[in-house]
Amino acid sequence: DTAVSQTPKYLVTQMGNDKSIKCEQNLGHDTMYWYKQDSKKFLKIMFSYNNKELIINETVPNRFSPKSPDKAHLNLHINSLELGDSAVYFCASSGTGGSYEQYFGPGTRLTVT
Amino acid sequence: QKEVEQDPGPLSVPEGAIVSLNCTYSNSAFQYFMWYRQYSRKGPELLMYTYSSGNKEDGRFTAQVDKSSKYISLFIRDSQPSDSATYLCAMSVGGSYIPTFGRGTSLIVHP
Repeated sequence: DTAVSQTPKYLVTQMGNDKSIKCEQNLGHDTMYWYKQDSKKFLKIMFSYNNKELIINETVPNRFSPKSPDKAHLNLHINSLELGDSAVYFCASSGTGGSYEQYFGPGTRLTVT
Repeated sequence: QKEVEQDPGPLSVPEGAIVSLNCTYSNSAFQYFMWYRQYSRKGPELLMYTYSSGNKEDGRFTAQVDKSSKYISLFIRDSQPSDSATYLCAMSVGGSYIPTFGRGTSLIVHP
């Protein structure tokens, strides 16, 4: 009965590789987000999707590309991984076009070597 | 200066103590204030959110907002070892659902 799930939980890869992280929510929400939490624990928004459409795209390198095949899924694809991409990536969702009540997934810990 | 400042701690207290967690901010446009709890290796979980100034209580948790001082607090009464986690404050301007987070305060409640 997991509300927001992410796969994989851990991802270790080498510089230059391309990788994807998947997110799914079963809450019936129409807005989904990607956040990055760095080593100092700061949590920053990367992207926000509402009804499969991108509504917010913060200053993120274009190596990062989100894809939302439907309202329940939001994937993150990262090209040409760099050392600085190492972080924990969280997916979140909220209802009704956006809300202050966001529900977070368990996170994907990405390590780039 | 970051928009939201939060002491990372750790804050260590004995079981049963009253805990006070705080954040200061610089953007006077913030109107919505949230507190999230994050256990180790887990995602943040929303505890409470408040609009504008005032107090809000939910069980052992009380959130306070003082907009004139740009200062928010979360109080935990009768703290338990299960409260040990990182507490993140977050805040948004009106009409934006994208919060600006503090870096979190690590709380340790020892038996």
